Amino acid sequence: DAGVIQSPRHEVTEMGQEVTLRCKPISGHDYLFWYRQTMMRGLELLIYFNNNVPIDDSGMPEDRFSAKMPNASFSTLKIQPSEPRDSAVYFCASSKGGFRNQPQHFGDGTRLSIL
Amino acid sequence: QKEVEQNSGPLSVPEGAIASLNCTYSDRVSQSFFWYRQYSGKSPELIMSIYSNGDKEDGRFTAQLNKASQYVSLLIRDSQPSDSATYLCAVGGRYSTLTFGKGTMLLVSP
Repeated sequence: DAGVIQSPRHEVTEMGQEVTLRCKPISGHDYLFWYRQTMMRGLELLIYFNNNVPIDDSGMPEDRFSAKMPNASFSTLKIQPSEPRDSAVYFCASSKGGFRNQPQHFGDGTRLSIL
Repeated sequence: QKEVEQNSGPLSVPEGAIASLNCTYSDRVSQSFFWYRQYSGKSPELIMSIYSNGDKEDGRFTAQLNKASQYVSLLIRDSQPSDSATYLCAVGGRYSTLTFGKGTMLLVSP
């Protein structure tokens, strides 16, 4: 079975540029999560979707960050304009719903460097 | 603010020893608990899930849960150098969310 697929794997861009990260969740999973991981703060939940609907975006650090999920098999996280402090590894994860928390399965991540 | 606390380590053990990794959490109503392993430069990989008090064994791994003490642990028996990684404890919250600890780095020396 295909896991969570993220692209690109690496992104290096200059400050002020728009960055778009992409994610394809595991088929049949109805939750999708976007995380950011840094050494200082660990894994931080940015936003998550249930059945393509954003449920909680309180983890999004600023209005420069936005996320969409136009259908069950695709989501994007956009940063515009990007800043050096946005440099981090961004993970997408998906899980099934259920009467109790199901494990989340992670993509390989996008390592983002803003110069 | 829900919190999940782990000792950052590194926890150093010799090959063949038992590694014990610990995690405490603040949300008393949490019912779902997970351990993930993350190798350097890789993504978190699910090792174990546990939902009930007591022990759950899977191969060399044993997860232990004590909800009264709000404590979860992971034991790795016969530790191997390939077990060297950061271990993340995750606690279930609302709407299938997980709160992650910052992880404990485990180093297994040959």
